[in-house]
Amino acid sequence: DGGITQSPKYLFRKEGQNVTLSCEQNLNHDAMYWYRQDPGQGLRLIYYSQIVNDFQKGDIAEGYSVSREKKESFPLTVTSAQKNPTAFYLCASTLQGFTDTEAFFGQGTRLTVV
Amino acid sequence: AQSVTQPDIHITVSEGASLELRCNYSYGATPYLFWYVQSPGQGLQLLLKYFSGDTLVQGIKGFEAEFKRSQSSFNLRKPSVHWSDAAEYFCAVASSGNTPLVFGKGTRLSVIA
Repeated sequence: DGGITQSPKYLFRKEGQNVTLSCEQNLNHDAMYWYRQDPGQGLRLIYYSQIVNDFQKGDIAEGYSVSREKKESFPLTVTSAQKNPTAFYLCASTLQGFTDTEAFFGQGTRLTVV
Repeated sequence: AQSVTQPDIHITVSEGASLELRCNYSYGATPYLFWYVQSPGQGLQLLLKYFSGDTLVQGIKGFEAEFKRSQSSFNLRKPSVHWSDAAEYFCAVASSGNTPLVFGKGTRLSVIA
């Protein structure tokens, strides 16, 4: 079945460590997105990529980095520069944009800094 | 830049009662409008979307939404709520087909017997 997979579901990190969240899709979608969700804040865009080897910063990119070396993969690294990384992270993909076909969201990764 | 406001943080309704969740957007032209639903600890599922044409759009699970340009609103409605509708609901807007969605802060729906 086609879909988008995020791993791990839960992740714990010590302060000062970088951590990478995985996002893989087998839908042959061109565009992929990372959102951060905090209680009462909705979803805020971190980074997005519309084609391989290209990505753009979203509204809250500071302290995060991404890569898009393969069409199916869009990993997110939460660096030690991110001051408040504890949150629920959602990855999404679309064929090209959010209007052409239904966007698929992963099940999310909950990151906790301990 | 476009923005989305969901005025109600939390709404409680009785099972079988009608539901309306409010959404207001800020954008000059006709935006692309969406409603998504999220169960606890899960990803988002698209309920419905509006791009153009008929201003009343039907979605999955018996939901509908009406686009009102004069009020910059895109409210979600359901005539009779089921306990399984308890979830968080997000309104979202995009300025064009290829731009990322901007989400509202969400409305949490609780359903009581």
